[in-house]
Amino acid sequence: DAGVIQSPRHEVTEMGQEVTLRCKPISGHDYLFWYRQTMMRGLELLIYFNNNVPIDDSGMPEDRFSAKMPNASFSTLKIQPSEPRDSAVYFCASSLAGGGYGYTFGSGTRLTVV
Amino acid sequence: AQSVAQPEDQVNVAEGNPLTVKCTYSVSGNPYLFWYVQYPNRGLQFLLKYITGDNLVKGSYGFEAEFNKSQTSFHLKKPSALVSDSALYFCAVTGPSGNTGKLIFGQGTTLQVKP
Repeated sequence: DAGVIQSPRHEVTEMGQEVTLRCKPISGHDYLFWYRQTMMRGLELLIYFNNNVPIDDSGMPEDRFSAKMPNASFSTLKIQPSEPRDSAVYFCASSLAGGGYGYTFGSGTRLTVV
Repeated sequence: AQSVAQPEDQVNVAEGNPLTVKCTYSVSGNPYLFWYVQYPNRGLQFLLKYITGDNLVKGSYGFEAEFNKSQTSFHLKKPSALVSDSALYFCAVTGPSGNTGKLIFGQGTTLQVKP
């Protein structure tokens, strides 16, 4: 298995533009997580899905952020409109049957909003 | 709500010396505990986990961690540090009662191993 695949690896966009980050989880994993990493706040859980259904989105910072999981092999995190304070590394992770079996992380998307 | 604390922003150790990276948690019930490592410009890599059983857990790259329920701690250890161990280390917890799916991370500890 190729692991959790995220795209793009780097994204530079102008303030106000829409940004879409993509994630392909490991085949067979039934949980998918989106995290954001910054120097100031560390690793923050934004949202997670179980069997394609959003379970907890309490970490999504505001309405500008949205996430979808249309099927078991694909998820998107969208920011519209983007702001400079959204600049961070965004990680996707997947797991089997929740926490007990560990989590596999993607390589992340480094987002820079100018 | 569950939480994890890593009290040290940075740990410095000489190569060949033992290292300890500290982690304490606050979770009701029986947590699942994890350690992850992050090398520069990379994602997080799994090191080890505690679910139940022996309080001393062995993981990748010679690392181990000791679960202490009375002190609510899960410190990461290695008997002899390598320069290549220098990285950012995260402790994480799920809970309560383990398998809820939601993994919460500590703020991370930078380990610097000097030759």
